Amino acid sequence: DAKTTQPTSMDCAEGRAANLPCNHSTISGNEYVYWYRQIHSQGPQYIIHGLKNNETNEMASLIITEDRKSSTLILPHATLRDTAVYYCIDGSSNTGKLIFGQGTTLQVKP
Amino acid sequence: NAGVTQTPKFRVLKTGQSMTLLCAQDMNHEYMYWYRQDPGMGLRLIHYSVGEGTTAKGEVPDGYNVSRLKKQNFLLGLESAAPSQTSVYFCASSLNGRAYEQYFGPGTRLTVT
Repeated sequence: DAKTTQPTSMDCAEGRAANLPCNHSTISGNEYVYWYRQIHSQGPQYIIHGLKNNETNEMASLIITEDRKSSTLILPHATLRDTAVYYCIDGSSNTGKLIFGQGTTLQVKP
Repeated sequence: NAGVTQTPKFRVLKTGQSMTLLCAQDMNHEYMYWYRQDPGMGLRLIHYSVGEGTTAKGEVPDGYNVSRLKKQNFLLGLESAAPSQTSVYFCASSLNGRAYEQYFGPGTRLTVT
């Protein structure tokens, strides 16, 4: 079973920031937080990952709390194409064993 | 660069029939994975491989077999299909050392009647 908890669904207005929360209260010291998204009927797409520092790339920012028990994925300027299911996953960096929960369905509205 | 491709895209099987799903990647990735996704659910790992000639079980391996004879290909076999195996199957690959960054194929939609 997934070790992370996320809200089932969220809405966001186009052009605004989308902030997707995730709780990973049982994460251990050497486990990372990974974010993927899955646009309808497509394979999942890797977004970003982090250990304890905040991270940013061309797609998103990841803010991890100091106690590492939760994180937030930020899409700074959401577009309609960002409508997808977003998965937060915690795990060891190199096993490749990603355990996907049910994720958060983000609906970006015009 | 085609990335990760899957063959076929759709298939309908009768209970008890067998079939093989093919996954191919052209990124020279060491790791490859097979997942299944049931309606409204997240993905579940079936089997994975960390290199040519190696395979290992994931979360839900029962009823499936895999082979990795060539680095670029990962085959998923169903020997005797059951309705419970109706699902969308995704293949993925990743580099050794970046196993968390997996590249997924477009999926195969399998229906077992």
